[in-house]
Amino acid sequence: EVQLVESGGGLVQPGRSLTLSCTASGFTFGDSAMSWVRQAPGEGLEWVGFIRSKTYSGTADYAASVKGRFTISRDDSKSIAYLQMNSLKAEDTAVYYCSKVIRTWGKYYFETWGQGTLVTVSS
Amino acid sequence: DIQMTQSPSSLSASVGDRVTITCRASQGISNYLAWFQQKPGRAPKSLIYAASSLQSGVPSRFSGSGSGTDFTLTISSLQPEDFATYYCQQYSDYLWTFGQGTKVEIK
Repeated sequence: EVQLVESGGGLVQPGRSLTLSCTASGFTFGDSAMSWVRQAPGEGLEWVGFIRSKTYSGTADYAASVKGRFTISRDDSKSIAYLQMNSLKAEDTAVYYCSKVIRTWGKYYFETWGQGTLVTVSS
Repeated sequence: DIQMTQSPSSLSASVGDRVTITCRASQGISNYLAWFQQKPGRAPKSLIYAASSLQSGVPSRFSGSGSGTDFTLTISSLQPEDFATYYCQQYSDYLWTFGQGTKVEIK
């Protein structure tokens, strides 16, 4: 069974940094792309970014709202995807979900989601 | 960015009703369209990818259709566990975007 468990959320002051982890099990992590999606309180879903598997370059793409501040990385030996968040703003307050992403015909789509971790940016 | 617009924003329906939700893309996205279900306080659940393909384990009362710019999610016979918010999402380019959501409530 595919399982994704996010961790690392909490209260952080504006301008500070925080790193989230997504620990995966039940599938060959190194073969999969992974993505992060967030949801501000009472709002809809917002894609944050995703990272390809090393077979397909291992590079990442980001939403404009976080590009330059957030970095997605992966440790295939530990089956963990990371979301490093720098220069945090109040508007980054959200539940952050990681997702296993399926690649088919050069396109990627979401499959399984973690339960999410709450990040609150406030002084 | 490709904008995704869902309609309606909310609807009220009864158990057993046929429910249809529409999603429109601001430009053509072929069939690179997914649908998700989210219940309050819970993570999203993937329902459909490639506009009409059901994810594993999703009941057959859910179906999707469309191509290009106009898509629909249909629930053929609404069940109590289907009351939730539904989102569409395009993955045609690498700036993935979601619709604003459609809340399905009990009438």
